[in-house]
Amino acid sequence: DVKVTQSSRYLVKRTGEKVFLECVQDMDHENMFWYRQDPGLGLRLIYFSYDVKMKEKGDIPEGYSVSREKKERFSLILESASTNQTSMYLCASSLWSKHEQYFGPGTRLTVT
Amino acid sequence: DQQVKQNSPSLSVQEGRISILNCDYTNSMFDYFLWYKKYPAEGPTFLISISSIKDKNEDGRFTVFLNKSAKHLSLHIVPSQPGDSAVYFCAAREGAGNQFYFGTGTSLTVIP
Repeated sequence: DVKVTQSSRYLVKRTGEKVFLECVQDMDHENMFWYRQDPGLGLRLIYFSYDVKMKEKGDIPEGYSVSREKKERFSLILESASTNQTSMYLCASSLWSKHEQYFGPGTRLTVT
Repeated sequence: DQQVKQNSPSLSVQEGRISILNCDYTNSMFDYFLWYKKYPAEGPTFLISISSIKDKNEDGRFTVFLNKSAKHLSLHIVPSQPGDSAVYFCAAREGAGNQFYFGTGTSLTVIP
């Protein structure tokens, strides 16, 4: 079974803090994704990566950056957290040749 | 602007009856569609997919129908079971890229 793990289930941070969300997958997938899920907006893609050190912007990259130094790990960074970044963050991975993505359980981030 | 829309936020169905979840899209370049199922406190899990060269794909109790001229797809669950109660997301991909666009989700409740 593919396993995608995220470093925290719940996180509370203050405005202006630098926040790191970590995601690890154990199935040697090439592609990794970061989404945020908000009520009424569904899942929106922040960034994705198709290889180590490669990254592509999604629909809403502003205020975020990512890092992929190893194939199994994809980090999402909030350089200076703001209250409008309070959300559920979902990480996913997939094989290059396959369409279906495997999701982690999500991190509920609250910025106060 | 939302390219993939699920206009029904919620749906209630009696156990044993058919559940029909709908999804509309605006981008005629979308060529691959997926449905995901999400339980509370878990990440979405892949359910079923369909390529734009087909109009129907079936997997056990789940069938996805694609009407390209209407830019509409639907997920049929027959017979519905209480364990099917979850939020269902449709997703669409444009061309050969890795980015999928998700709908806002429909919360299905199957009443025993």
